[in-house]
Amino acid sequence: QKEVEQDPGPLSVPEGAIVSLNCTYSNSAFQYFMWYRQYSRKGPELLMYTYSSGNKEDGRFTAQVDKSSKYISLFIRDSQPSDSATYLCAMSANSGYALNFGKGTSLLVTP
Amino acid sequence: DAGITQSPRYKITETGRQVTLMCHQTWSHSYMFWYRQDLGHGLRLIYYSAAADITDKGEVPDGYVVSRSKTENFPLTLESATRSQTSVYFCASSATGRTEAFFGQGTRLTVV
Repeated sequence: QKEVEQDPGPLSVPEGAIVSLNCTYSNSAFQYFMWYRQYSRKGPELLMYTYSSGNKEDGRFTAQVDKSSKYISLFIRDSQPSDSATYLCAMSANSGYALNFGKGTSLLVTP
Repeated sequence: DAGITQSPRYKITETGRQVTLMCHQTWSHSYMFWYRQDLGHGLRLIYYSAAADITDKGEVPDGYVVSRSKTENFPLTLESATRSQTSVYFCASSATGRTEAFFGQGTRLTVV
């Protein structure tokens, strides 16, 4: 079992919908949680970064971390066609280096 | 330009040939990483480096060699390319190694 699990989708929603993307993990040592967005044929770009538990909001994006359930979420409000991309969660611990990635969820927002 | 640059963007090579993928970053980040991305596997870590002259294996290091003589450069060499190494390769850098990593645009490598 991989340490980070993410439903690959694809997830298709109409423009303006609220999108919920999720990851679960098994390593209780993970403290740093990130969401990346990757457009087709591009490199991943950092979208949100959260340390430990709690919520973080940035414009239309909200990241939530529930360490007790080992579950993280990314919410996108008022989704736009330009949000169509693959979203990857990533996390890491205080020990060791490099990020542990989920396989990514493909999102399509239709006009 | 500030950022992280990979070259070449596309490469086709033959089985058995040696090929080097280049990565250059301008932030003076201590940590640099090489990932490969394949359908069904997501991003997998090949090698990483915590500083110049310090490198370590990741999840899938076999068949790859890295070096880091300067902080800003982290080349990845396939010593004898195999078809299974056909993939998209991403270089990334990070100030801390455990938090935000910034990725290059990728090198799409095809081994025929």
